[in-house]
Amino acid sequence: EIVLTQSPATLSLSPGDGATLSCRASQSISTYLAWYQQKPGQAPRLLIYGASNRATGIPARFTGSGSGTDFTLTINSLEPEDFAVYYCQQRASWPLTFGGGTKVEIK
Amino acid sequence: QVQLVESGGGVVQPGRSLRLSCEASGFTISSHHMHWLRQSPGKGLEWVAVISFDGTNRYYTDSVKGRFTISRDNSKNTLSLQMDSLRAEDTAVYYCAKEITNHYFDNWGQGTLVTVSS
Repeated sequence: EIVLTQSPATLSLSPGDGATLSCRASQSISTYLAWYQQKPGQAPRLLIYGASNRATGIPARFTGSGSGTDFTLTINSLEPEDFAVYYCQQRASWPLTFGGGTKVEIK
Repeated sequence: QVQLVESGGGVVQPGRSLRLSCEASGFTISSHHMHWLRQSPGKGLEWVAVISFDGTNRYYTDSVKGRFTISRDNSKNTLSLQMDSLRAEDTAVYYCAKEITNHYFDNWGQGTLVTVSS
């Protein structure tokens, strides 16, 4: 099973700040990685797939990058609605697995 | 628009069974692989099972193999998850989800809570 490790666990930032979230895979997964945003009481929302492709309707301030074992989600200039938990997910091999999440909270 | 609505959750004793359903609208499930995922209270996400668009292939996470069965009825645009021999650790919100492509999930239901407790 491929283990995804996200860091940091919590990011305390202010609106307007930039955010950098990391996801590291236990073995190479090429670019088979997605990022999701989840707010309390809601289902996750797909942000990025294939490591760098924005899903439909996702603002350009969300950028995904990386390949192999190291991936990054960058959020430029945080909006109030961006404070949430972010998960990465790999589809390189079964079982599909998720990282433990990074909570982006208001400082 | 695309909508997925789960139902069938509830409180069940360990060892008993429960069947979840997911009704899809706004798209035809016969064109998509469909998945079940779950999230334990206050915890992260876990993929549970997938069924291919035509129902010929199914994969499960190890912890539910032999206990859970995913199925689909394309004529009713519905996905199901039969859960047998339930354990306390199966307690979670269960989501059905549609693939955008290649096992990424672009549409999720609102989730249904399953609580396994005596």
